Amino acid sequence: KNQVEQSPQSLIILEGKNCTLQCNYTVSPFSNLRWYKQDTGRGPVSLTIMTFSENTKSNGRYTATLDADTKQSSLHITASQLSDSASYICVVTRGDQLIWGAGTKLIIKP
Amino acid sequence: KAGVTQTPRYLIKTRGQQVTLSCSPISGHRSVSWYQQTPGQGLQFLFEYFSETQRNKGNFPGRFSGRQFSNSRSEMNVSTLELGDSALYLCASSWDRLSSYEQYFGPGTRLTVT
Repeated sequence: KNQVEQSPQSLIILEGKNCTLQCNYTVSPFSNLRWYKQDTGRGPVSLTIMTFSENTKSNGRYTATLDADTKQSSLHITASQLSDSASYICVVTRGDQLIWGAGTKLIIKP
Repeated sequence: KAGVTQTPRYLIKTRGQQVTLSCSPISGHRSVSWYQQTPGQGLQFLFEYFSETQRNKGNFPGRFSGRQFSNSRSEMNVSTLELGDSALYLCASSWDRLSSYEQYFGPGTRLTVT
């Protein structure tokens, strides 16, 4: 079954700290993997898109990694800020189909 | 460049009624997709339109329908509303196939069914 699983479900960290969110997928064949940030009540905003040949991609303080062999991806956030509080969603593309993870809810405390 | 716009932003309807939501994509984008998001749930794909044709469809009942106009604007219709249809409905546009190109989301329409 084509699935995308994210962990942890939720995470609380202090402002200024780093954190890493995980995404494991069983999707095959795989076209690309995306990470989105979604603020409460708003539409998701794309952070990165990676094809199977890319291992790392950065967008400011956000760095995504991809291991296509183990079917794992991670999103690392450096020096967290209060504005990083949001849900982070991993999405894997299989052909014309986008398979969405349930997301990780990240809370940054001052 | 203006982003994706959705109207209305908030809507309250009664069970059994129907509703139409509107989405204007980013200028030049030809693909429009619709999603439903309920509290605690991930985004559920409804359908994708490209050049006025439905290209993909998710697992939703026939009460959910959509269309796309020649200017790429899209509408989504839900007939015979049920309480469970209360959700945030998101529209996203991309230049071409959403599976290959970046998607840009609108702010959503919050639908409440009473």
